[in-house]
Amino acid sequence: DAGVTQSPTHLIKTRGQQVTLRCSPKSGHDTVSWYQQALGQGPQFIFQYYEEEERQRGNFPDRFSGHQFPNYSSELNVNALLLGDSALYLCASSFPGTTAGNTIYFGEGSWLTVV
Amino acid sequence: KNEVEQSPQNLTAQEGEFITINCSYSVGISALHWLQQHPGGGIVSLFMLSSGKKKHGRLIATINIQEKHSSLHITASHPRDSAVYICAVSTIRRNTGKLIFGQGTTLQVKP
Repeated sequence: DAGVTQSPTHLIKTRGQQVTLRCSPKSGHDTVSWYQQALGQGPQFIFQYYEEEERQRGNFPDRFSGHQFPNYSSELNVNALLLGDSALYLCASSFPGTTAGNTIYFGEGSWLTVV
Repeated sequence: KNEVEQSPQNLTAQEGEFITINCSYSVGISALHWLQQHPGGGIVSLFMLSSGKKKHGRLIATINIQEKHSSLHITASHPRDSAVYICAVSTIRRNTGKLIFGQGTTLQVKP
């Protein structure tokens, strides 16, 4: 059973460009959350997708957008890249709705460097 | 002040030592997670708890809901335990995905 998979693992972009990061959740999971982790910091919640809709959003500008497909995979898009967008982008999947709560699974992340 | 605070930020131990990492939070939670992150970046979930205590191998996690405090203990520490340990909380019932993270505790265990 594959866990959460993310692509690409590393990429370098230039200021002003756009980037798309991809995530496939763990089998059976229908909820995907995206996080940004700057070097030396804890992850910050960007947004969460469930049933192909953005359900929750953190404090990130509209340059950050996303999408969830019918197979529950998800994309994170960042437009007009800034140097400060350089970070590790983590995708996490979970399956809500159980009263006992549920474990969250993370991908290995996509390292984005903006130059 | 961060909603989730961890201490210490950095910890160096000798192999075999008993280690404790603390986490305090200031928000209402539905669950608390202890996570492990290795230098490559990937994060692994160690525990999810909403009350009491859980044990897995040499790892023990406890939570005191009234005091809004949790601890992660590592018994008989080993160099392979060296990693960043992160405390994170879920604030929404039945929604594990939106987590608030602490800053992490960097643990180095020396042989």
